[in-house]
Amino acid sequence: SYMLTQPPSVSVAPGQTANIACGGKNIGTKSVHWYQQRPGQAPVLVVYDDSDRPSGIPDRFSGSNSGDTATLTIGRVEAGDEADYYCQLWESESDHPFVFGTGTKVTVL
Amino acid sequence: QVQFLQSGAEVKRPGASVKVSCKASGYTFTNYFVQWVRQAPGQGLEWMGVINPTDGTTNYAQKFQGRVTLTTDTTTTTAYLELTSLRFDDTAVFYCTRLPIRGVTDPFDYWGQGTLVTVSS
Repeated sequence: SYMLTQPPSVSVAPGQTANIACGGKNIGTKSVHWYQQRPGQAPVLVVYDDSDRPSGIPDRFSGSNSGDTATLTIGRVEAGDEADYYCQLWESESDHPFVFGTGTKVTVL
Repeated sequence: QVQFLQSGAEVKRPGASVKVSCKASGYTFTNYFVQWVRQAPGQGLEWMGVINPTDGTTNYAQKFQGRVTLTTDTTTTTAYLELTSLRFDDTAVFYCTRLPIRGVTDPFDYWGQGTLVTVSS
């Protein structure tokens, strides 16, 4: 089945930029979505279709996708951005079509 | 507004079954698949399965085949997850979420609050 690999953790100082990678074979040909999950809460969609933002999500959150890597970028990081982040996509040729990445813990220093 | 209200926490013995409910509101229930996602303590998100409320067709992750049953009641716009033969490592939070029937590549835009199922002797 298709696999998505993320770094376990990313640390960033307030005001700086965090980049979270999501690796998968030819992921650039697929639509990737990103979810934020704060401790004890349900996931929240922050970026969809590689780079679009749902209403209410700050423009500090952006995304890109090319080749074998999709990336979520959080600009001007704030303490409230500390959370787990997961990438996700639909893989049509898999018996496990809805795939989540392994997750990345973002720590704000 | 779109909302999912899930049933409360459960404690079950190994070998027992659990049934979690997910009451949907704020949208046309039959226009969206209902998906279920599991998250074990300290672990990531894991897709379990999907159901089409229009006709009841399902697709389960192979890992849960034979132990999970998804159903819906369109009259009450409620989805159900039943997991049987519970094991200690089934302890997890279970989330319901939705996906447009005409857009399988779309994201899961709304999620329930989660239901904690604890398997303990």
